[in-house]
Amino acid sequence: DAKTTQPNSMESNEEEPVHLPCNHSTISGTDYIHWYRQLPSQGPEYVIHGLTSNVNNRMASLAIAEDRKSSTLILHRATLRDAAVYYCILRAQSNTGNQFYFGTGTSLTVIP
Amino acid sequence: EPEVTQTPSHQVTQMGQEVILRCVPISNHLYFYWYRQILGQKVEFLVSFYNNEISEKSEIFDDQFSVERPDGSNFTLKIRSTKLEDSAMYFCASISRGSGANVLTFGAGSRLTVL
Repeated sequence: DAKTTQPNSMESNEEEPVHLPCNHSTISGTDYIHWYRQLPSQGPEYVIHGLTSNVNNRMASLAIAEDRKSSTLILHRATLRDAAVYYCILRAQSNTGNQFYFGTGTSLTVIP
Repeated sequence: EPEVTQTPSHQVTQMGQEVILRCVPISNHLYFYWYRQILGQKVEFLVSFYNNEISEKSEIFDDQFSVERPDGSNFTLKIRSTKLEDSAMYFCASISRGSGANVLTFGAGSRLTVL
């Protein structure tokens, strides 16, 4: 399994930026970096993914280190609805498809 | 937006009973997954399924578990003889094709309670 390491929990004030770090020192050249989040009592939902270059979408930005051994999910202005567990996942490719292995994730608390 | 649909949303069963959890993946998706999440714990991979066969399974996915795609739309997870420790949320997910640009879409989950 491709491994990722994230802090167990983080706090942010509402309307401030949040930087969620992830270490993935064993990443291989073909692994994509995916971020998912799980809101309370819901299934995981896709946030963003990337391979080498930084990525932006309507939900967040993903900053990937040059050596690809770490990445940071950036929420530009945290809202109360962003309180969730955020999972950094390496998408491992095999002959029969793609495998996504979840780590323990970071539980984000947004303070009003 | 296309959705992955799971039924039932909640099932309560007695230990030793068989349970079937059902999933309708997004229609043009080809790869299917089951994950489980015990209350308060992380999301755990159970099995992936492609081209009508299991492509990978975890050590959790023992002989008590099986998956099937009985028709063109449904994808089922069967637990033959449930144990107390099978109580968890079970999530189905699907992906359209096996390239790095694709992402998982999850259903809302089925909560299984084994008494």
